[in-house]
Amino acid sequence: DGGITQSPKYLFRKEGQNVTLSCEQNLNHDAMYWYRQDPGQGLRLIYYSQIVNDFQKGDIAEGYSVSREKKESFPLTVTSAQKNPTAFYLCASSITGPTLYGYTFGSGTRLTVV
Amino acid sequence: AQTVTQSQPEMSVQEAETVTLSCTYDTSESNYYLFWYKQPPSRQMILVIRQEAYKQQNATENRFSVNFQKAAKSFSLKISDSQLGDTAMYFCAFMKIQPQESKLTFGKGITLSVRP
Repeated sequence: DGGITQSPKYLFRKEGQNVTLSCEQNLNHDAMYWYRQDPGQGLRLIYYSQIVNDFQKGDIAEGYSVSREKKESFPLTVTSAQKNPTAFYLCASSITGPTLYGYTFGSGTRLTVV
Repeated sequence: AQTVTQSQPEMSVQEAETVTLSCTYDTSESNYYLFWYKQPPSRQMILVIRQEAYKQQNATENRFSVNFQKAAKSFSLKISDSQLGDTAMYFCAFMKIQPQESKLTFGKGITLSVRP
């Protein structure tokens, strides 16, 4: 079955460490996205990519980095520059361009700073 | 930039009754897409219903329907015959119709509790 897989489900980070969240899809989608979810804040866009080897900053990109070396993969690195990284992170994918199909979402990664 | 506003943070409804969740948005575009997503306690996001602004007819999916008022920039979700499984967070989302881009802008969400 086609889908989008995020790993790990739970991740703990020490202060000052970088961590990488994995996102893989086998839907043959060109576009991929990373959102951050905080209580009362909804979903906020971190980064997105419309095509391999290209990506753009979203609304809250500071302290995060991404790469898009393969169509199937869009890993997100939370760097030590991100001051408040504890949150729920959602990865999504879609076809390129506006679509009524919306997004397919992964099941999320809960990141906690310890 | 587009904004999506969900002003009610929480709602509660008795099982089998009908509930309406509100959503307003701000845009200067004439055509766009609107969505409602459901996030149950599992936190998996599920597409509930979608609407193209160019179409006047309100979308319906089984017990879910929308009241789309384009002039008022309002896109409310009506859930009929509420079930316990409808307990979830609901997000309204907006997609601008722009070539080579499919970004979704989300509201802050509303937590719906269905009481037995």
